[in-house]
Amino acid sequence: NAGVTQTPKFRILKIGQSMTLQCTQDMNHNYMYWYRQDPGMGLKLIYYSVGAGITDKGEVPNGYNVSRSTTEDFPLRLELAAPSQTSVYFCATSQDRVRNEQFFGPGTRLTVL
Amino acid sequence: TQLLEQSPQFLSIQEGENLTVYCNSSSVFSSLQWYRQEPGEGPVLLVTVVTGGEVKKLKRLTFQFGDARKDSSLHITAAQPGDTGLYLCAGRSSNTGKLIFGQGTTLQVKP
Repeated sequence: NAGVTQTPKFRILKIGQSMTLQCTQDMNHNYMYWYRQDPGMGLKLIYYSVGAGITDKGEVPNGYNVSRSTTEDFPLRLELAAPSQTSVYFCATSQDRVRNEQFFGPGTRLTVL
Repeated sequence: TQLLEQSPQFLSIQEGENLTVYCNSSSVFSSLQWYRQEPGEGPVLLVTVVTGGEVKKLKRLTFQFGDARKDSSLHITAAQPGDTGLYLCAGRSSNTGKLIFGQGTTLQVKP
């Protein structure tokens, strides 16, 4: 089992460009999350999903969009990249909301210049 | 807004020393998790503590949840270079079920 996979590993964007960060899981978990991690700031929740077809905003959703058409995939879309979106992005899954123990992917390091 | 404050932010020690990392909040959490993250990788769950006053041990690591479920600590005995990494605490909000992460403690253990 691969667990949670993310692509790409690294990406450099110019201001105003768009891109999609891919996240795929083979754990059959209903709950999926997107976080961003900035130095000294911990992890901030961008968007989350409780199942296919259901998504909701987290703490820092502005500038991002998500979709969840299948249990396995939870892509994160950046429409007009800005330097403030330079960060490391992590996708995570959890089996339930009671314990909410999360399994993370390896991350995507994004730089916007 | 629920916040978790970790201290210290950075810790550099020699192999064999003991250390404690703290995770504090003014809010009550239904449970608290500790993760370890190595460079270039995602966080990996170490432990979940649920009951106030609970103590869990994982080899040389001891985790404690405060009686009031507002704080937690991680104690490492006889640290080894393999313990080097970023340690994150995360509280599960009683209201939303979401995780609130602390800002992390970077630990460097020198041989």
